[in-house]
Amino acid sequence: DAGITQSPRYKITETGRQVTLMCHQTWSHSYMFWYRQDLGHGLRLIYYSAAADITDKGEVPDGYVVSRSKTENFPLTLESATRSQTSVYFCASKPGLADYNEQFFGPGTRLTVL
Amino acid sequence: GENVEQHPSTLSVQEGDSAVIKCTYSDSASNYFPWYKQELGKGPQLIIDIRSNVGEKKDQRIAVTLNKTAKHFSLHITETQPEDSAVYFCAASMKIIQGAQKLVFGQGTRLTINP
Repeated sequence: DAGITQSPRYKITETGRQVTLMCHQTWSHSYMFWYRQDLGHGLRLIYYSAAADITDKGEVPDGYVVSRSKTENFPLTLESATRSQTSVYFCASKPGLADYNEQFFGPGTRLTVL
Repeated sequence: GENVEQHPSTLSVQEGDSAVIKCTYSDSASNYFPWYKQELGKGPQLIIDIRSNVGEKKDQRIAVTLNKTAKHFSLHITETQPEDSAVYFCAASMKIIQGAQKLVFGQGTRLTINP
């Protein structure tokens, strides 16, 4: 299907486990982003990527790792999950450099860390 | 860095009335201000945006105004309908190192339209 997809949609894990959230887009957009959404904080940027093999930190990168070996995929890994990482995670993509290019969001992954 | 404040956090209006959500930003270099609507269980979706060289933009029942001097922008929804019930986020652009811009989001407003 065309668009931006995330998997899994729901995940429950335990403290200390490694978890990888997947993001896939079919538009060949250059830019991809990972956000977390928590009540009272809106959407906060975790990491972003300008192109394959180019990634950089956002506002809240601690405890997360990203990679982007292919333009269409941007996985987010929690190396050792903590309860504070319980959140809803959104992936987004946007075409090109222009600041007014729309960011398109995926449906989200609800992660619970017990 | 950029900081975006959004008010109110919750808003309840009668169907047919107008709703206004306000945001302020801190970075005078911000030049793009989108508004996103998030329905339950879905990702945010762009509903309207405005660039810094424009003071107002309208799209049917939705309008956005921008006051660069005061660094605030607002979303106006007129003739509200039940399907307008959602969480709304404002955002402001901020330059990032690769030459493009990222978005800094407000905290969100939960809008409820009462029939």
